[in-house]
Amino acid sequence: NAGVTQTPKFRVLKTGQSMTLLCAQDMNHEYMYWYRQDPGMGLRLIHYSVGEGTTAKGEVPDGYNVSRLKKQNFLLGLESAAPSQTSVYFCASSYGGRASTDTQYFGPGTRLTVL
Amino acid sequence: AQSVTQLDSQVPVFEEAPVELRCNYSSSVSVYLFWYVQYPNQGLQLLLKYLSGSTLVESINGFEAEFNKSQTSFHLRKPSVHISDTAEYFCAVSDLRAGGTSYGKLTFGQGTILTVHP
Repeated sequence: NAGVTQTPKFRVLKTGQSMTLLCAQDMNHEYMYWYRQDPGMGLRLIHYSVGEGTTAKGEVPDGYNVSRLKKQNFLLGLESAAPSQTSVYFCASSYGGRASTDTQYFGPGTRLTVL
Repeated sequence: AQSVTQLDSQVPVFEEAPVELRCNYSSSVSVYLFWYVQYPNQGLQLLLKYLSGSTLVESINGFEAEFNKSQTSFHLRKPSVHISDTAEYFCAVSDLRAGGTSYGKLTFGQGTILTVHP
């Protein structure tokens, strides 16, 4: 049972380049989330999804897009990377029954550097 | 809107000493409270959570946290720490909006790095 996996683990981009981060979960969870982690700021929610085909904005959505075409996958896209998007990105998923009480399960993270 | 403040960014302690990591929150609605732990180069994992009932909650590895509604706090404590407890600890809240429309979104504190020295 792999839980939540993220691809890639590390990436270096130049300003203006695009990329997609992939998150996959094998727990049949309804809800999925993308966070970014910056020093001294904790984790901040970028986008989330409450089911296949649905997405919604979180706290810091600007510069990012997401898609949830399959229940098990949640993709995070950067169309034109900026140095301010240098961060560690975490994906998480939860069962979604009583979402506010559910444990979120996190992936190992993707460390992105934008030069 | 809700916010979470972790009062200490770094807490160094010696092995077998007690430790308290402080967390205060503000919210206009009732909240559920969580502590997550991040070991070096790993993702976050749940340590413990307060949903309702007894205000003292415990984890399987000896940590406990007490919900104090009047002081809007959820401090994490352990009476005797081990080297293996070295990690970053995050306090988080999820609000009880009617109808579950918060969708489990978590608001995290800034994190506290606990370093246990031999």
